[in-house]
Amino acid sequence: DIQMTQSPLSLSASIGDRVTITCQASQDITNYLSWFQQKPGKAPKLLIYDASRLQSGVPSRFSGSGAGTHFTFTITSLQPEDFATYYCQQYANLRSLTFGGGTKVEIK
Amino acid sequence: EVQLVESGGKLTQPGRSLRLSCEGSGFTFGIYAMYWVRQVPGKGLEWVAGISSNSENIGYADAVKGRFTISRDNPKNSLYLQMNSLRPEDSAFYYCVKDMIPHLVQGIFDHWGQGTLISVSS
Repeated sequence: DIQMTQSPLSLSASIGDRVTITCQASQDITNYLSWFQQKPGKAPKLLIYDASRLQSGVPSRFSGSGAGTHFTFTITSLQPEDFATYYCQQYANLRSLTFGGGTKVEIK
Repeated sequence: EVQLVESGGKLTQPGRSLRLSCEGSGFTFGIYAMYWVRQVPGKGLEWVAGISSNSENIGYADAVKGRFTISRDNPKNSLYLQMNSLRPEDSAFYYCVKDMIPHLVQGIFDHWGQGTLISVSS
């Protein structure tokens, strides 16, 4: 199985801050990576796929980059509605789809 | 609007069986691969099983292989998860998830249901 290591586990940030989350794959996944946002009591929401493609309807302050084994997710100017938990997920190995452990973004 | 509505979650005992259902609407159900993903409350996400649009390709996580069976009925716009020999560690929210790309198994989870809760306890 491909292991996805996300960091940090949690972070505190203020409105307007730039926030960066990283995801490291245990082997080359090319660009087969998605990022999700999950708010308490809700299902995850797809934000980014193919490492950098913005899902339809998602604000442009969200972005993703990277390829191979190292990936980055960025929120350029944190908004109140962005406080949530974020997950990366690889789909390079369709026989075993795996997620990162999650990063909780909290209010400072 | 794409909608996925799960049902069948309940409190049950170890060793028992349960069948989850998911009904899709707002899209052409029969041309998309579908998945089940679970989440222990307060914990991370875990892929459980996936099925191609024509049911020819099916895959399971090691943790459920041999105990769970994914299936679909395209004329009924429905996805199922038959869960046998349930264990306490199977307790979680179970989400029905749709793939983004029609006719392919891509693993891009673009729409999720609201989830249904399974609790396995004696």
